[in-house]
Amino acid sequence: SSELTQDPAVSVALGQTVRITCQGDGLRNSFPTWYQQKPGQAPLLVMYGKNSRPSGIPDRFSGSTLGNTASLTITGAQAEDEADYYCNSRDSTGNHRVFGTGTRVTVL
Amino acid sequence: QVQLQQWGAGLLKASETLSLTCAVYGGSFNNHYWTWIRQAPGKGLEWIGEIDHSGRTTFAPSFKSRVTISVDASKNQFSLNLTSLTAADTGVYYCARGRREWLRALDNWGQGTPVTVPS
Repeated sequence: SSELTQDPAVSVALGQTVRITCQGDGLRNSFPTWYQQKPGQAPLLVMYGKNSRPSGIPDRFSGSTLGNTASLTITGAQAEDEADYYCNSRDSTGNHRVFGTGTRVTVL
Repeated sequence: QVQLQQWGAGLLKASETLSLTCAVYGGSFNNHYWTWIRQAPGKGLEWIGEIDHSGRTTFAPSFKSRVTISVDASKNQFSLNLTSLTAADTGVYYCARGRREWLRALDNWGQGTPVTVPS
């Protein structure tokens, strides 16, 4: 079982803002990374560190962490943002890494 | 431009051993964490383990008794062995690079290898 908990699904109207959360004790001492996965594709890194985006990731993606909860926010969601999103960080022992349970984002 | 290309047998029997290899093209092989992840059909991502360029490994507790990850730096390759397979090991297996300076963010992924273990 994952030690990082995410809401199973969220929906957002086109152009609106959606926040995806990831909760777990491992987040108290380690920034998460966030991945976007579309059907049939390998995951894609969209956020790392405190709030850093790899080259090519739109600036409508932003990240934050407070206590044991991390958030990935999409401001002005686009149709192409419809995907599954996973957080990844250390587990509560700090010795291993673990993925969150995943959130399916639907853009209406 | 870094590319990861992975290969290995995709159809195995229960109790057999899964062997996958991932080749890294472009970029430095040193100073990163070479990682394996799997995804069961219709399920989420599962972190299996990682190895650094010196050969130091870390495994998820659920795999620790069955998994080996090794590296061949001379070929810029790393490999996964998973023993005592069951149907629960069916899924897509990915290799990925954990970029050291990005706090091990998995910034490059292989194409994935579908693995089936019939029940």
